[in-house]
Amino acid sequence: KNEVEQSPQNLTAQEGEFITINCSYSVGISALHWLQQHPGGGIVSLFMLSSGKKKHGRLIATINIQEKHSSLHITASHPRDSAVYICAVSGPDKLIFGTGTRLQVFP
Amino acid sequence: ETGVTQSPTHLIKTRGQQVTLRCSSQSGHNTVSWYQQALGQGPQFIFQYYREEENGRGNFPPRFSGLQFPNYSSELNVNALELDDSALYLCASSPQGNYGYTFGSGTRLTVV
Repeated sequence: KNEVEQSPQNLTAQEGEFITINCSYSVGISALHWLQQHPGGGIVSLFMLSSGKKKHGRLIATINIQEKHSSLHITASHPRDSAVYICAVSGPDKLIFGTGTRLQVFP
Repeated sequence: ETGVTQSPTHLIKTRGQQVTLRCSSQSGHNTVSWYQQALGQGPQFIFQYYREEENGRGNFPPRFSGLQFPNYSSELNVNALELDDSALYLCASSPQGNYGYTFGSGTRLTVV
C-alpha cells in the first residue's frame, strides 16, 4: 500500500463544475502539499498545509490531521485547470508523493 | 527570487553512457532534493542535499550520485545508464530541511 493515496486517478468534468480530489496518507507528516503538473512536466506548488484550510482564487485545500486526509477543491472549473494534481507529504526526511489525479475539464 | 532552474530541459542518451543534470536553487534555499518521475507515476525521492552534504537517500542504486555546491546549486549524475532510467528528473529547493519547496520544470531524460 502506498503511503500517499489519491482518488480519483482520473477525473473529467464540464466547465463550471465543482471538483474534489482526495488524498489520504499513512505516515507522520510536518506538512502536506498540493501540486499542479502540466504536460511537459513542470510542477507548481499550489498549497502547503499543516492544519485547517487555505483558499487561493478558485482553489481551496483542507486537511484533517486526525483523519490523515486532505482534499483539494476547484470551484467553477475551467479548461485551463486541466492538469495532473499531485498530493505530497513532508515526511521525516523527504517528500512522499501520491501518483496524481489527472483532471480534464471540457468546455 | 529567480526560482529553480534545471538544465538541460531534454536529453537523449545511449544505454551505458553517463549523464549530468543541473539544478540552480532558489535564492535563500540551502536544501535541494532530486526526484525521478517515470511516465504515469508520481515522483520518487532520489536524495537530498543540505549544505553540500547528502542528507537522505531513497531506494536508488549508487550509480545515482549527486553534488551540492557552495552556492547551493546541485548536480545529479547517473552512470551506466539503463533504459529504465528514462524519466522526468525534478529538482526542488527549500529554505531548510523539509518545508516550503519550490520545484524546477524538470529534465526529461530518454535512454535509447
